[in-house]
Amino acid sequence: DVKVTQSSRYLVKRTGEKVFLECVQDMDHENMFWYRQDPGLGLRLIYFSYDVKMKEKGDIPEGYSVSREKKERFSLILESASTNQTSMYLCASSLTERGGTGELFFGEGSRLTVL
Amino acid sequence: LAKTTQPISMDSYEGQEVNITCSHNNIATNDYITWYQQFPSQGPRFIIQGYKTKVTNEVASLFIPADRKSSTLSLPRVSLSDTAVYYCLVGASGTGGFKTIFGAGTRLFVKA
Repeated sequence: DVKVTQSSRYLVKRTGEKVFLECVQDMDHENMFWYRQDPGLGLRLIYFSYDVKMKEKGDIPEGYSVSREKKERFSLILESASTNQTSMYLCASSLTERGGTGELFFGEGSRLTVL
Repeated sequence: LAKTTQPISMDSYEGQEVNITCSHNNIATNDYITWYQQFPSQGPRFIIQGYKTKVTNEVASLFIPADRKSSTLSLPRVSLSDTAVYYCLVGASGTGGFKTIFGAGTRLFVKA
């Protein structure tokens, strides 16, 4: 089975701190994604990456950056955390498939609270 | 990117068939329609994907009319464990990656 592992299930940080959320997948998937999920808003795409060192902005990239130095690892960085970044963060990966969209495999999520 | 519209919530009873419809009026020629299920405190899980007409797997069926401007996820004989949020997505793979955009989803509540 595909496994997507997020480094922390729960984090509490202070305003202004730098935050790293790590995601690792073990199935050699090309594509990796970071979403945030807030009540009533569904999942919103922050960034995605379709190859090592490649990244594309999603719908809400402001206040975030990402890093993909290795194929299996995709990191989300909050340079200076703010209270409005308190959320559930979900990482996903997928294969690129000819036609259609590859099935997304999600991690269990990281719940971040910024005080 | 095609925007999707789904009902916010639906109620059902155990053993009933549930149909959740998603509107995607601006669907593009290359776009596929995909549905995911999400339980509390978990990431979404793939249910089914289709391009046109009907697709069926062991979990659900997906009905897509000829104009592809909507789609219907059909869950046969739901149980309490089918209580979850269901998301409809529209998109396609492409050179240079692709965006996979989720809407707000439909919260299905199955009652005994």
